[in-house]
Amino acid sequence: DARVTQTPRDKVTEMGQEVTMRCQPILGHNTVFWYRQTMMQGLELLAYFRNRAPLDDSGMPKDRFSAEMPDATLATLKIQPSEPRDSAVYFCASGSTNGGTQYFGPGTRLLVL
Amino acid sequence: QKEVEQNSGPLSVPEGAIASLNCTYSDRGSQSFFWYRQYSGKSPELIMFIYSNGDKEDGRFTAQLNKASQYVSLLIRDSQPSDSATYLCAVNAQGGSEKLVFGKGTKLTVNP
Repeated sequence: DARVTQTPRDKVTEMGQEVTMRCQPILGHNTVFWYRQTMMQGLELLAYFRNRAPLDDSGMPKDRFSAEMPDATLATLKIQPSEPRDSAVYFCASGSTNGGTQYFGPGTRLLVL
Repeated sequence: QKEVEQNSGPLSVPEGAIASLNCTYSDRGSQSFFWYRQYSGKSPELIMFIYSNGDKEDGRFTAQLNKASQYVSLLIRDSQPSDSATYLCAVNAQGGSEKLVFGKGTKLTVNP
């Protein structure tokens, strides 16, 4: 049963600490997306990759967020330093360039105190 | 700014009724349209996609697309309490792009 996996599932940290979230896309998918979901803003695209190359990170606060894809099986999203306003659920999704359908992972629930 | 608009609801229907969920989008170049279902505390799950004008049926779900009116809808027939969730409409950005723009979702409650 192919699915996107994300770790950790829950993270509580203090303001100023570094947070790293990881995602393993579905094998064979060549696009990876990072989203943030809050009650106020809904689902927002932070960054996305095609064939491991970053294509759009315009939704990401550049001074504190970074996204990378060191290999085809791992995507990372880092926040340094974290702030309380970063508290949200972060989803990773993967897909292929044929069709455009995206499949979501279970999410990382982040709470920054 | 590409936008996808949905009525936030909540939309409440009795069990067995038809639930109608609507979505409008601003980018005329959009080519792909998706409906996702999200249960509380869970991740979005794809229900249907539609690319062409008209209706597309899958079981109790029907997606309807009208590109001239920039309107897409989802009908759920014989609604069940298990259909209670938030439904997200998503539209691809910049015609042909795999990047999606999501609406904020409509919360549906099906009452037994």
